[in-house]
Amino acid sequence: AQSVTQLDSQVPVFEEAPVELRCNYSSSVSVYLFWYVQYPNQGLQLLLKYLSGSTLVKGINGFEAEFNKSQTSFHLRKPSVHISDTAEYFCASNQGGKLIFGQGTELSVKP
Amino acid sequence: DAGVIQSPRHEVTEMGQEVTLRCKPISGHNSLFWYRQTMMRGLELLIYFNNNVPIDDSGMPEDRFSAKMPNASFSTLKIQPSEPRDSAVYFCATRLGGDPYEQYFGPGTRLTVT
Repeated sequence: AQSVTQLDSQVPVFEEAPVELRCNYSSSVSVYLFWYVQYPNQGLQLLLKYLSGSTLVKGINGFEAEFNKSQTSFHLRKPSVHISDTAEYFCASNQGGKLIFGQGTELSVKP
Repeated sequence: DAGVIQSPRHEVTEMGQEVTLRCKPISGHNSLFWYRQTMMRGLELLIYFNNNVPIDDSGMPEDRFSAKMPNASFSTLKIQPSEPRDSAVYFCATRLGGDPYEQYFGPGTRLTVT
């Protein structure tokens, strides 16, 4: 069975600093990968997705992610974070019509 | 479009009572998913429907949980009888077609069972 592992449960950073949220997946077949963001007391919202083609994927709010097949990773990055980026971030991959989610990474941006 | 609509947004009930959560998908979306989110277990898929037919209910915790999708514009998740350990946020998500389309999430229903 496929699995998605988010390597950090919490990531505290200062405003305007760069950030990387790490995600590893396990799959022996073609995979689609997603990053979702959940702001407090809200549902999940799609940040970006990798389906095929270019391994660097750009999403909303200045986020981007890089698909690395050899390392089975799909890390999320932002060069300069804002207070408003404080949220929980979920990595997910497809499996038989379903999404398999990681446990989430709580990003806390401090002034 | 109004997005995925869930009701109620908050529900507080006593142990043993029946709870019904409702979801209205985005018009035209033919796949619907019910998730449960807790601090301990994270985000869990309970069941999903494709064209109103349940495809995978392996995540439904036990017989106290049931879900229906009588038509393309409405789904319910019912818990009977409810227990304190059912306290969680329940999300409905819908999708247009199959892979690789993304899922669109509703705002969730926060359920508290006392």
